[in-house]
Amino acid sequence: AQRVTQPEKLLSVFKGAPVELKCNYSYSGSPELFWYVQYSRQRLQLLLRHISRESIKGFTADLNKGETSFHLKKPFAQEEDSAMYYCALSRYSGGGADGLTFGKGTHLIIQP
Amino acid sequence: DAGVTQSPTHLIKTRGQQVTLRCSPKSGHDTVSWYQQALGQGPQFIFQYYEEEERQRGNFPDRFSGHQFPNYSSELNVNALLLGDSALYLCASSSPGPGETQYFGPGTRLLVL
Repeated sequence: AQRVTQPEKLLSVFKGAPVELKCNYSYSGSPELFWYVQYSRQRLQLLLRHISRESIKGFTADLNKGETSFHLKKPFAQEEDSAMYYCALSRYSGGGADGLTFGKGTHLIIQP
Repeated sequence: DAGVTQSPTHLIKTRGQQVTLRCSPKSGHDTVSWYQQALGQGPQFIFQYYEEEERQRGNFPDRFSGHQFPNYSSELNVNALLLGDSALYLCASSSPGPGETQYFGPGTRLLVL
């Protein structure tokens, strides 16, 4: 069975500092990995997915199959980045519409 | 387009009762997935409906059942409610196929007393 682990429940950094949200996964196949974000009083929305290799709002994430990780990074945090971040896995590449396995989430707080 | 809509927003039930939650997908979407999000946890996949049939199912008991209508809207039914069923229930819609992603609704918060 697949599993997604986000080791930090809470991460607090200062504005302008680099941010790294950790995500590790376990799955024997070739999964697709996603980061979803939930801003205060808003619904869950897709931030980025590894196959598109895009940078969204300054965030990037690289899939490391050797370490089974998909950490989310941003070089300079902004206050509007404060939100709940969830890492999620689909069992196959191109499986964005598949039933997703989510981690427990990391609450990111950007201090002024 | 209002996106994915869910009703009701909040619901209180007692143990042993049955509940029905409703979801209307985003315009143009034909696939609906349901997730349960307990407090402090990430969403957990319950099941997915496509062409009015259950296409995938997560690790949830048979007390959880669903339905999809010809207009692609969907219902989630939970029988014999337990205290542990208290959670936020999220609906997500998408089109099937590679490259597609899921759009989430605001959720229905269910409290079982």
